[in-house]
Amino acid sequence: GENVEQHPSTLSVQEGDSAVIKCTYSDSASNYFPWYKQELGKRPQLIIDIRSNVGEKKDQRIAVTLNKTAKHFSLHITETQPEDSAVYFCAANLWGKLIFGQGTELSVKP
Amino acid sequence: NAGVTQTPKFQVLKTGQSMTLQCAQDMNHNSMYWYRQDPGMGLRLIYYSASEGTTDKGEVPNGYNVSRLNKREFSLRLESAAPSQTSVYFCASASSGGYNEQFFGPGTRLTVL
Repeated sequence: GENVEQHPSTLSVQEGDSAVIKCTYSDSASNYFPWYKQELGKRPQLIIDIRSNVGEKKDQRIAVTLNKTAKHFSLHITETQPEDSAVYFCAANLWGKLIFGQGTELSVKP
Repeated sequence: NAGVTQTPKFQVLKTGQSMTLQCAQDMNHNSMYWYRQDPGMGLRLIYYSASEGTTDKGEVPNGYNVSRLNKREFSLRLESAAPSQTSVYFCASASSGGYNEQFFGPGTRLTVL
């Protein structure tokens, strides 16, 4: 089955800096890669996603890149703000099932 | 629209007790999912239902059963609760397969003593 590894597990940045979270997946048949943000005590919410026929996607301060050959994808957040502090999860879709990474706790210090 | 709703929000069980977690969505989605979330382990898929009338095992199905009651409702049952099932349970729904955004419910925090 699919296995998704996510790094780092914790990330602390200063407000205004960039943050990068990386994920790798094991099954080359995976074709859809969403990123979810979960604030403390809340439900996960989709922030950006990318399909396997696209290499990069950007939405304001958030971007995701996908390298199918290397089987890894990354989340980039620029100009971080305190409200970006949360746990971020990557996931890979294989045959209709989402397999999630272990999560990255991002802390943005003012 | 309420989106995805779950009941109860909190539950405490004793080892060996049974209970059913309820989930409903009003977005006319075909697919529904049950996850558990444990510290440091992300979200792990327990069972999913690609469409009304079908259910399939996910990564961690042991100790659980599910029922897709109709298109709106998908329940998760613990027949004999164990302390290892202490977790936060999330239900989610999506319009089809795994290629579209999954919308999550608010979660149920379950403690098994």
